[in-house]
Amino acid sequence: AQSVTQLDSHVSVSEGTPVLLRCNYSSSYSPSLFWYVQHPNKGLQLLLKYTSAATLVKGINGFEAEFKKSETSFHLTKPSAHMSDAAEYFCVVSLRNTPLVFGKGTRLSVIA
Amino acid sequence: EAGVVQSPRYKIIEKKQPVAFWCNPISGHNTLYWYLQNLGQGPELLIRYENEEAVDDSQLPKDRFSAERLKGVDSTLKIQPAELGDSAVYLCASSLELNTEAFFGQGTRLTVV
Repeated sequence: AQSVTQLDSHVSVSEGTPVLLRCNYSSSYSPSLFWYVQHPNKGLQLLLKYTSAATLVKGINGFEAEFKKSETSFHLTKPSAHMSDAAEYFCVVSLRNTPLVFGKGTRLSVIA
Repeated sequence: EAGVVQSPRYKIIEKKQPVAFWCNPISGHNTLYWYLQNLGQGPELLIRYENEEAVDDSQLPKDRFSAERLKGVDSTLKIQPAELGDSAVYLCASSLELNTEAFFGQGTRLTVV
């Protein structure tokens, strides 16, 4: 069975400082991995995806994530947080022939 | 290109009443999902369609929930009768095929009073 764990329910950073949102997955097979963002009262938007190509994946709005098979991790990072980054972030895993499984989410707060 | 369209955006009903949600996926997308999102939680799969066939509905409470995807395009999710615990956001998503990125609609926020 596949599962995904987001290690922090809430992360707070100051504007202009780095962002790190942590995600671990459990899977016996090579998964597809995604990060989605959800702003208040908005739909889920895809930030980036990993599908067995390059292990360092670049996404929209300056976000990137690195797939580390040895650590079963797919952490999301951004060098410098902006106020508009405040939102809920979901790590998502998918195996062959199975639907997307979401983590519980990490709420990112950005302090001016 | 139009995204996934859901309606209504908001719905308030009394318990024991029926309710229906509608979803129009992105054109050409074979896979359609319905997810349930409770406040402060990640989305949880209710049902997945491959074209018009429901291929993963193990999490759908079949005593009160039903869904259909006629002609493999639009989909409707119905609850009858609604319970207080059904208050949540119902999300529809579509993808070209399984394991590719899914595109989500804005969701329908249901409040059962």
